[in-house]
Amino acid sequence: DIQMTQSPSTLSASVGDRVSITCRASQSISNWLAWYQQKPGKAPKLLIYKASSLESGVPSRFSGSGSGTEFTLTISSLQPDDFATYYCQQYNSYPYTFGQGTKLEIK
Amino acid sequence: EVQLVESGGGLVQPGGSLRLYCAASGFTFSDHYMDWVRQAPGKGLEWVGRTRNKANRYTTEYAASVKGRFTISRDDSKNSLYLQMSSLKTEDTAVYYCARVHQQYSGYDYLDYWGQGTLVTVSS
Repeated sequence: DIQMTQSPSTLSASVGDRVSITCRASQSISNWLAWYQQKPGKAPKLLIYKASSLESGVPSRFSGSGSGTEFTLTISSLQPDDFATYYCQQYNSYPYTFGQGTKLEIK
Repeated sequence: EVQLVESGGGLVQPGGSLRLYCAASGFTFSDHYMDWVRQAPGKGLEWVGRTRNKANRYTTEYAASVKGRFTISRDDSKNSLYLQMSSLKTEDTAVYYCARVHQQYSGYDYLDYWGQGTLVTVSS
C-alpha cells in the first residue's frame, strides 16, 4: 500500500498568513493527488484534484503543486473560514490512502 | 443539486452485522463509481472501498482492514448504495461516509461529493 505522510500535523497561523502543508507519498503517484478540507462534525470537501487543479467554487487563494512523491497545498492569505483540518489522498493505486491530516489552528 | 444521505448506523455488538445505506439524488447515479470512507472518533479518514458501475460489471475494491468482512453493493434502480458489514470489531467504530467518484477514468476518480455520514458504534 502507498503511505501518505503529511507535515506538519498541526499548524498555528493568523488571518492573512500564507501557509503551506506538505504531503509525501511512499512511492510515485504521478499527479494523482487530491486535497480535502474538513471542519468539525462535517463531511470532507474537495479542494484540489490532480495535484494542482482547483475544484469549481473553491477560492483561488487555495493552490496545489507537486508531482511524483512530494506535494504541497498552499493557502495564500488565510481567512477565518479556512481554519480546519486538511487531508491529502492518493488515487494512483488501490487502496486509495489518505494522509493523517493537518489541523490548521488560529494563532 | 447532488445529495448523498447515509443511514443505518447505530450500536452493534462485536461480532455482529449491520447494513448501511446511502441514498443518492441530483445526478445520474448509475453512471458513477461510489466509495465508502470512514473516520474513527477523533481520527483521520480511511478509505473503505469502491463499487464500479454497470459498464464495469459492478466490480469492487476494498481496504485490507475490511476485506472479507464488508461488502459494497448498489441498486441503480433505487439510486442506492449499500455497505454490508459483518464480523464487526470495536475498531470498526467510526462515522461512515459515502462519496461520489467524479469520473471512472484513471486520474479523474477522486471523490467530489460526500454525504454527511452515519455513526457506527461497535461495543458490548
